[in-house]
Amino acid sequence: RKEVEQDPGPFNVPEGATVAFNCTYSNSASQSFFWYRQDCRKEPKLLMSVYSSGNEDGRFTAQLNRASQYISLLIRDSKLSDSATYLCVVTTAGGTSYGKLTFGQGTILTVHP
Amino acid sequence: DAGVIQSPRHEVTEMGQEVTLRCKPISGHNSLFWYRQTMMRGLELLIYFNNNVPIDDSGMPEDRFSAKMPNASFSTLKIQPSEPRDSAVYFCASGRGGDYNEQFFGPGTRLTVL
Repeated sequence: RKEVEQDPGPFNVPEGATVAFNCTYSNSASQSFFWYRQDCRKEPKLLMSVYSSGNEDGRFTAQLNRASQYISLLIRDSKLSDSATYLCVVTTAGGTSYGKLTFGQGTILTVHP
Repeated sequence: DAGVIQSPRHEVTEMGQEVTLRCKPISGHNSLFWYRQTMMRGLELLIYFNNNVPIDDSGMPEDRFSAKMPNASFSTLKIQPSEPRDSAVYFCASGRGGDYNEQFFGPGTRLTVL
C-alpha cells in the first residue's frame, strides 16, 4: 500500500463548479499535512497547509480527519487558472524523518469554459 | 529574492555518460532535498540533507547515484554511468527545519538519457 494515496482523476469541471479531492495516508505517526499544486511542466508549489481544525484560504478549504487518516481539499467557484495537478503531502516529525515529505501521486484537475 | 536555482535546465546525454546536476538552495534554508519525478512513479525523494549532512539516502536507486553538499549554498547529484531509465525530471528543494516543513522547489532539470 502506498503511504499517500490519491484519486488520480482527471477531474474535468466547468468554470464556477465546486470540486473536492480526497487523500488517505497510511502512517498514523504523520504530523503535518499539506496540499501542493503543480502546473504542467513546472515545479510543485505549496498551496496550503492543513490544520486539525480545518482551514480556509479564499476559495480553498482543507480538512483533516486524523481518526480516518484522511485529508480533503475543496475548491469553490473553480477558475480556469485552477487547472493543475494537486499533490497531497504528508510528513512525520522528529528523528530521522526530520523534514521529509511524502507526496501522493497527484490529482489532475482541468477547468473548462 | 532568488528561489532555488538548478542547472542545467535540460540535459540530453547518451547511455554510459556521467551526468552532474547542480543546485543552489535559498539562502538561510538548512534542509535540501533531491527528488525525481516520472509519470510512472510520481515524485520520489532521493536524498535529503540537513545542515549539509546527508540524513536519509534510502531513496537513492542504486550505487550509480551519489549526492554531495560541500557547503550550505551548493549541492550536486551525480549519475555515473547514466542509463535510459534514469530519464526524468530532477527537482531540488530547500526548506527550514522544525515546524516549517514547507519546501521550495527549483525549476527542475529535465534529463534524457538516450
